[in-house]
Amino acid sequence: NAGVTQTPKFQVLKTGQSMTLQCAQDMNHNSMYWYRQDPGMGLRLIYYSASEGTTDKGEVPNGYNVSRLNKREFSLRLESAAPSQTSVYFCATKGGGTGELFFGEGSRLTVL
Amino acid sequence: GQQVMQIPQYQHVQEGEDFTTYCNSSTTLSNIQWYKQRPGGHPVFLIQLVKSGEVKKQKRLTFQFGEAKKNSSLHITATQTTDVGTYFCADPIGGAQKLVFGQGTRLTINP
Repeated sequence: NAGVTQTPKFQVLKTGQSMTLQCAQDMNHNSMYWYRQDPGMGLRLIYYSASEGTTDKGEVPNGYNVSRLNKREFSLRLESAAPSQTSVYFCATKGGGTGELFFGEGSRLTVL
Repeated sequence: GQQVMQIPQYQHVQEGEDFTTYCNSSTTLSNIQWYKQRPGGHPVFLIQLVKSGEVKKQKRLTFQFGEAKKNSSLHITATQTTDVGTYFCADPIGGAQKLVFGQGTRLTINP
């Protein structure tokens, strides 16, 4: 089992370009999340999806869109990238029991 | 904004010294989770505390939840180089659908 898989792992964009970060899980979890991590800021929630067909805003949703394509996949789209979106992006799923989060390896995005 | 404040932001210790990070909230927490992130890695779940005054141990790590459920701490006894990383507390909000993280405490160790 791969767990939570994010693609791409690295990406460099120019300001104004668009791109989609993909996340897929094989853990059969209902809830999925997108976080961004910046130095000194910890992990900030961008969007989450409590179940297939639903999405909700987190702490910092501006400039992003998401799609919960099916139970397995949750994508994050930047329509017009800005340098302020340079960050490491983590996808996560929430398991049952304790409700712990399982994170992907991260996607490092640089916007020039 | 952040639901939980974590201090200190950075801590540097000599190997063998103890380390503690604190997580504080202005509101009562339903529960709190702790994660560790190694340099260049992704956060990994350590533990969840639920009960008032709860204390849990994992080898050299001791986790505490305050009596008022407004604060929590993670204490590492006799640090080792493998303890290097950033430690985060996380607060479930919105009916536990959202997990909001503290800013983290970055631990570095002099061998």
